[in-house]
Amino acid sequence: KAGVTQTPRYLIKTRGQQVTLSCSPISGHRSVSWYQQTPGQGLQFLFEYFSETQRNKGNFPGRFSGRQFSNSRSEMNVSTLELGDSALYLCASSLRAAGRTYEQYFGPGTRLTVT
Amino acid sequence: AQSVTQLDSHVSVSEGTPVLLRCNYSSSYSPSLFWYVQHPNKGLQLLLKYTSAATLVKGINGFEAEFKKSETSFHLTKPSAHMSDAAEYFCVVSAIMNYGGSQGNLIFGKGTKLSVKP
Repeated sequence: KAGVTQTPRYLIKTRGQQVTLSCSPISGHRSVSWYQQTPGQGLQFLFEYFSETQRNKGNFPGRFSGRQFSNSRSEMNVSTLELGDSALYLCASSLRAAGRTYEQYFGPGTRLTVT
Repeated sequence: AQSVTQLDSHVSVSEGTPVLLRCNYSSSYSPSLFWYVQHPNKGLQLLLKYTSAATLVKGINGFEAEFKKSETSFHLTKPSAHMSDAAEYFCVVSAIMNYGGSQGNLIFGKGTKLSVKP
């Protein structure tokens, strides 16, 4: 079974621009979560999508948004980029059911550099 | 609220010696706990998970962890380190809603960098 894929793997953007990152989950997984990893803050949860609906959101400004398509693929968008948005963005997919916790499987990440 | 504390930011061992990476957790409900590993410039790989079944959990690559409720700990061990084990390890707890159901996101510790000397 193919793993979680993320595109692109590397991005360089200029402050003020916007960026869109893409994530394809493991086949059969309908939950997709996004995380930001930086040296200073570590791994922080951005949001989770399930059945095309945002189910859960972390403590990030509104410049960070996402969506999920009917095939469970997900995109996240960051508008008006700031230098502090430079990070590794990780996508994870999992099964999901009420009352149960499933493990999440991570993609290789997208390394975003804002100059 | 749930949280995890990894007690060592860096651990160094010699190849062939045991590995111990320490993790304490805080959770109002029975937690789901995980250990993930991240090699340089790679994504995160699941090593093992605890979800209220056996308290001693075996994972991949010879790693195991023991859930100790009385000590709120979930330490990761391996009997004999290999050079390929050098990586960063994250102890993770699943966020839980105030009624006990899964919230769907993970809460990560700050990570422990494991160095393995030849």
